[in-house]
Amino acid sequence: DTGVSQNPRHKITKRGQNVTFRCDPISEHNRLYWYRQTLGQGPEFLTYFQNEAQLEKSRLLSDRFSAERPKGSFSTLEIQRTEQGDSAMYLCASYPSVFGPGTRLTVL
Amino acid sequence: EDQVTQSPEALRLQEGESSSLNCSYTVSGLRGLFWYRQDPGKGPEFLFTLYSAGEEKEKERLKATLTKKESFLHITAPKPEDSATYLCAVQEGKDSSYKLIFGSGTRLLVRP
Repeated sequence: DTGVSQNPRHKITKRGQNVTFRCDPISEHNRLYWYRQTLGQGPEFLTYFQNEAQLEKSRLLSDRFSAERPKGSFSTLEIQRTEQGDSAMYLCASYPSVFGPGTRLTVL
Repeated sequence: EDQVTQSPEALRLQEGESSSLNCSYTVSGLRGLFWYRQDPGKGPEFLFTLYSAGEEKEKERLKATLTKKESFLHITAPKPEDSATYLCAVQEGKDSSYKLIFGSGTRLLVRP
């Protein structure tokens, strides 16, 4: 499979817990993006990596969010102390137009 | 501020009834305009990229066109399997990140 993969596909957590999502982009693409999509809206940009460097963060990315891309390969997005407002689909994209299937987060 | 507005929010068509979806944009120099299809619970599926006014691209029953202020996605003789949300996004020309700015989408339902 040469597409973008994301894991897990679904995550249900309780408010206050930490969660981590993983994205494996297309191997030859050095740009990687995270977006968040809520019901009835289009995806909103969160952050962008070029290789291992995180070059831009949206104001939507509060201090509870952190993203990494070690060695410029896969990326992780961690949300600490989750809130109900974090419930959304988290999408990863590879250069910049190929999207993964997303991780659906539900915070109870 | 860059903005993308899609209309209508929702569209119901009978099978075979052609129509168009609109994407109006305000951006400081357009690098590219993207169209995606998104099925419920899935990630956006890339359809087209348009780069300059007057450009057109086609794929099966879909045809995308671009002017300096808007883009249209024309759907000819749609089938029920064309039911989905169609998303439009723009890339701003001076933005070195190449990130996409999306509209809210048009939800299309094609009835048999």
